[in-house]
Amino acid sequence: EAGVAQSPRYKIIEKRQSVAFWCNPISGHATLYWYQQILGQGPKLLIQFQNNGVVDDSQLPKDRFSAERLKGVDSTLKIQPAKLEDSAVYLCASSLLSTGIHNEQFFGPGTRLTVL
Amino acid sequence: KQEVTQIPAALSVPEGENLVLNCSFTDSAIYNLQWFRQDPGKGLTSLLLIQSSQREQTSGRLNASLDKSSGRSTLYIAASQPGDSATYLCAVRPGGDDKIIFGKGTRLHILP
Repeated sequence: EAGVAQSPRYKIIEKRQSVAFWCNPISGHATLYWYQQILGQGPKLLIQFQNNGVVDDSQLPKDRFSAERLKGVDSTLKIQPAKLEDSAVYLCASSLLSTGIHNEQFFGPGTRLTVL
Repeated sequence: KQEVTQIPAALSVPEGENLVLNCSFTDSAIYNLQWFRQDPGKGLTSLLLIQSSQREQTSGRLNASLDKSSGRSTLYIAASQPGDSATYLCAVRPGGDDKIIFGKGTRLHILP
């Protein structure tokens, strides 16, 4: 069974530029998560989708971050414009469902973003 | 508000030793607790998931225990190997909520 796929693996941009990350979850997984992990910290949830609807985006900086999952499968996360403090690893995860015993999340390899 | 703490932040031990990583959480009302491994620059790999009704889970040389009443979990690694070097993250899913709350992790270095 294929795991969660993410691209690109690495990205270096200058501040004020825009960047987009892509995630393809495990086939059949209804729930998709985007996390931000700053060096030395645990992952922080940015946004959670259930199929193509947003369940939780309370920690997403909506003035510069946006995310979509239009067809309920793959998803993109965008930052525009980027700031120095956005340098982090962006992790995508998916789970079969969002509640109950099928809540276990499976993580992709992440995208390491460096903002200069 | 649920908080997850992992101590120590970093640990170095000689190869072959048994070791224990600690995780504590402030609210005992949890649905489950999960231990992850993260290699440098990589994503998270799930090691063990303990449901709130369970006391421990085992996988190979790894054993994770859960004591909800005291708000603690431990990850025991037997006969450590250099390949065990990584960051180990503890994560809690609070009862009635499906958001995972992570600790900051323990960076483990096994000395050859």
